[in-house]
Amino acid sequence: TQLLEQSPQFLSIQEGENLTVYCNSSSVFSSLQWYRQEPGEGPVLLVTVVTGGEVKKLKRLTFQFGDARKDSSLHITAAQPGDTGLYLCASRIGAGGNKLVFGAGTILRVKS
Amino acid sequence: NAGVTQTPKFQVLKTGQSMTLQCAQDMNHNSMYWYRQDPGMGLRLIYYSASEGTTDKGEVPNGYNVSRLNKREFSLRLESAAPSQTSVYFCASTRGAGAGDTQYFGPGTRLTVL
Repeated sequence: TQLLEQSPQFLSIQEGENLTVYCNSSSVFSSLQWYRQEPGEGPVLLVTVVTGGEVKKLKRLTFQFGDARKDSSLHITAAQPGDTGLYLCASRIGAGGNKLVFGAGTILRVKS
Repeated sequence: NAGVTQTPKFQVLKTGQSMTLQCAQDMNHNSMYWYRQDPGMGLRLIYYSASEGTTDKGEVPNGYNVSRLNKREFSLRLESAAPSQTSVYFCASTRGAGAGDTQYFGPGTRLTVL
């Protein structure tokens, strides 16, 4: 059982559609990060959310941290083929927060 | 700035062979990490080094050793490779462990153990 559960595992949609992916846990986190990874490359940080209930926007991407800081969502408006990739959520654990634990990820494919 | 670099990019080993994966960062970061990525399992932490001179185990350390050679370099060694170690390996670095500290990842090493 993973500390961070992501859903859905795979999503295939048409260009222009909206979508939401989720990251859930039974643990409370001090912060949560979202990464995007393209094939053949390493993950790249999109955003960090810190405060319960926080909403951050990055162009067509909207990130929300749950009030209880146990879950988060990523909503993409009017998806484009360039949004295709693996979306990973991650959070710091352990003494000093030196360890970063990742969810299994959501593979997003946007078809034109 | 090159960011985080990893060598080699691809490697094929036979069971029982040894090899060292190299990682270097030019961002003067304090902390460095080694992860492996397998389908459906996200990234799992193998070892990390919070600062120069220290190393600690992550989630899946068995079969691996690491060396923090200096502030820039952090290597991962497989002493006796096994097919279960077939994976994509990523090195990452970060300035610190605060919420605002970003982890920067290298491009990965694709390892196949036959």
